Amino acid sequence: DTAVSQTPKYLVTQMGNDKSIKCEQNLGHDTMYWYKQDSKKFLKIMFSYNNKELIINETVPNRFSPKSPDKAHLNLHINSLELGDSAVYFCASSQVGPGELFFGEGSRLTVL
Amino acid sequence: AQSVAQPEDQVNVAEGNPLTVKCTYSVSGNPYLFWYVQYPNRGLQFLLKYITGDNLVKGSYGFEAEFNKSQTSFHLKKPSALVSDSALYFCAAHGSSNTGKLIFGQGTTLQVKP
Repeated sequence: DTAVSQTPKYLVTQMGNDKSIKCEQNLGHDTMYWYKQDSKKFLKIMFSYNNKELIINETVPNRFSPKSPDKAHLNLHINSLELGDSAVYFCASSQVGPGELFFGEGSRLTVL
Repeated sequence: AQSVAQPEDQVNVAEGNPLTVKCTYSVSGNPYLFWYVQYPNRGLQFLLKYITGDNLVKGSYGFEAEFNKSQTSFHLKKPSALVSDSALYFCAAHGSSNTGKLIFGQGTTLQVKP
C-alpha cells in the first residue's frame, strides 16, 4: 500500500493553463504539506495543513491554491501557469510535533 | 532566520571506504534534525532523526549521524560505503518553537565508485 500517493506523476501543459495535483495519505497523519523542488534540487515548503486547517503559507503566488477536503487529502491547484512553475511538487505528511515527514513520489510539472 | 547548510555539492568515495556528508544548522529553540535520501525520479526517504538523547543516532541502511551542539552540526556517516548508496542526500531541521516548518539543506550528491 502506498503511504502518500500523488497524481499525476507527470504533467505537461501550456502557459496560462490551470492544473491540479492531488495527494492522499493513508497513514492517519494529521498534517500534510506541499514542497516544491526546483531544477537545482532545492526543496522549499509551500503550504502545510493540519486537520484541514492551513497553518503554513509561505511566500507563494496566489495563483497557487491548496485545498484539503479532509485530513487525508491535500490538493494543489495552480492557475495561469507560468514557465517558472516548472518543477517537481512533493506532497508529504506527518504526525503533529517533531516527527519525520513521509513523502510522495512527486509530480513533475513542465510548463511550455 | 532558520537555515540548514550542506557545504558540499558532491562527495565522492570509493566502495568500502567510510563516508561523511556534512550538515550545519541554525534554528530557534532546540533543534530537531533529519536526514533524507532521494534516488533519481523518486520521493525523499527518511533515514534518521535526532530529537533528544544520545548524540549518535543510528538509522536505515547502516547510516548514522552525530549531533554536535557546540558546532551546530549533524553530519551523516557510514563506516563502509556501497555503490547503491549513490544518491542525493538532504539534511533538514526545525526548531522546537516551530515544529511545523522543516527547512532543508541544498542537498549533497553522494557518488560511490566501485
